[in-house]
Amino acid sequence: EGQLVESGGGLIQPGGSLRLSCAASGFTVSNNYMNWVRQAPGKGLEWVSVIHFGGGTYYADSVKGRFTMSRDSSKNTVYLQMNSLRADDTAVYYCARAPGHYDLDLWGQGTTVTVSS
Amino acid sequence: DIQMTQSPSSLSASVGDRVTITCRASQTIRSNLNWYQQKPGKAPNLLIYGVSSLQSGVPSRFGGSGSGTDFTLTISSVQPEDFATYYCQQSNSIPLTFGGGTRVEIK
Repeated sequence: EGQLVESGGGLIQPGGSLRLSCAASGFTVSNNYMNWVRQAPGKGLEWVSVIHFGGGTYYADSVKGRFTMSRDSSKNTVYLQMNSLRADDTAVYYCARAPGHYDLDLWGQGTTVTVSS
Repeated sequence: DIQMTQSPSSLSASVGDRVTITCRASQTIRSNLNWYQQKPGKAPNLLIYGVSSLQSGVPSRFGGSGSGTDFTLTISSVQPEDFATYYCQQSNSIPLTFGGGTRVEIK
């Protein structure tokens, strides 16, 4: 079935950087569309980014130019490099698998990012 | 971007009630519509994909319908474990977008 485990969240000052990791087991990340989705406190779900089979990446306008998604196939892990963080980036960040289409069928437990001075 | 509008934003129901949640897309998304359930402090869970296909392990009391721009999630007889927040999501195009959520509470 598979499992996703996110890590790397924490408290960071505005303007700072963090790198989130999402380690997969039970399946191969490079055979899937891997996504990041976030949820601000008390709010709904917001899609952040995707990395496709071939390595192409796409981003929400709200993070474009600041966030970079990547993949290490040897570690079966995807990453989200977050730069120039702002208060409105505060959220739980989930990693989610989409096997060939954008149906998010497997989610991690989430990692919390808090941007505050 | 495709906007997804869910209604109602919340509802109260008794165990055994039939519950209906609607989702409208700002433009046609064909059959590219998914539904998720989220319980407090937990990650979302895929319930229905492609408008009406039940994800493995999802009880048959959950059903989905619709096409184009208007979609419905129905719980035929709501059970205690169904009290949660439900989100629709369009999978037609990037950026993926979600509805604002519908919180289903116990009456």
